[in-house]
Amino acid sequence: AQSVTQLDSQVPVFEEAPVELRCNYSSSVSVYLFWYVQYPNQGLQLLLKYLSGSTLVESINGFEAEFNKSQTSFHLRKPSVHISDTAEYFCAVSPGGYQKVTFGTGTKLQVIP
Amino acid sequence: EAGVAQSPRYKIIEKRQSVAFWCNPISGHATLYWYQQILGQGPKLLIQFQNNGVVDDSQLPKDRFSAERLKGVDSTLKIQPAKLEDSAVYLCASSPIKEAGSGNTIYFGEGSWLTVV
Repeated sequence: AQSVTQLDSQVPVFEEAPVELRCNYSSSVSVYLFWYVQYPNQGLQLLLKYLSGSTLVESINGFEAEFNKSQTSFHLRKPSVHISDTAEYFCAVSPGGYQKVTFGTGTKLQVIP
Repeated sequence: EAGVAQSPRYKIIEKRQSVAFWCNPISGHATLYWYQQILGQGPKLLIQFQNNGVVDDSQLPKDRFSAERLKGVDSTLKIQPAKLEDSAVYLCASSPIKEAGSGNTIYFGEGSWLTVV
């Protein structure tokens, strides 16, 4: 069985400041890791994913996440946030196969002007 | 490319009534999922279809929830009778994988918001 822990339910940060959203996972097998973003009243959208290869993955809007196998973490970071980044962010894990994806409880990022 | 379509977007019903949600996945996607997202929680998988066969329904409350995917395309999720704790957003999603394999992206619809009063 796999699980995902997002320790922070809410993270307030000032505009243009850096941010890190934490994600830890547990799994008995190799995993694929994902970050999804959910804007108000919308469905989830894939932000970035780690499947294999380079442990640092990036999204098109400046977010990045680093897979750390020894610490079983996949933290999401952005060096300078914008108001438009205000949303809820979900970390997710999948062992591949028929791709049962398990989601964390989410972290609400509040960007303060 | 059209996204995952869901209807209705919003539904308010009384407890013990029934409700049905419809989902049309992205064209060509073999895998279809129904997730339940309760306020303040992450999405929880209810059922996963591969074409028109069920891959995983271990967390589906089968005494009141049912889902079908006829002809391997669109799908309906039904709740009968509804309980107060069923108030949630029901997310449909689809994925292009056709067989067991790598971590392809899951594409979500905008969700159907259910309030049971």
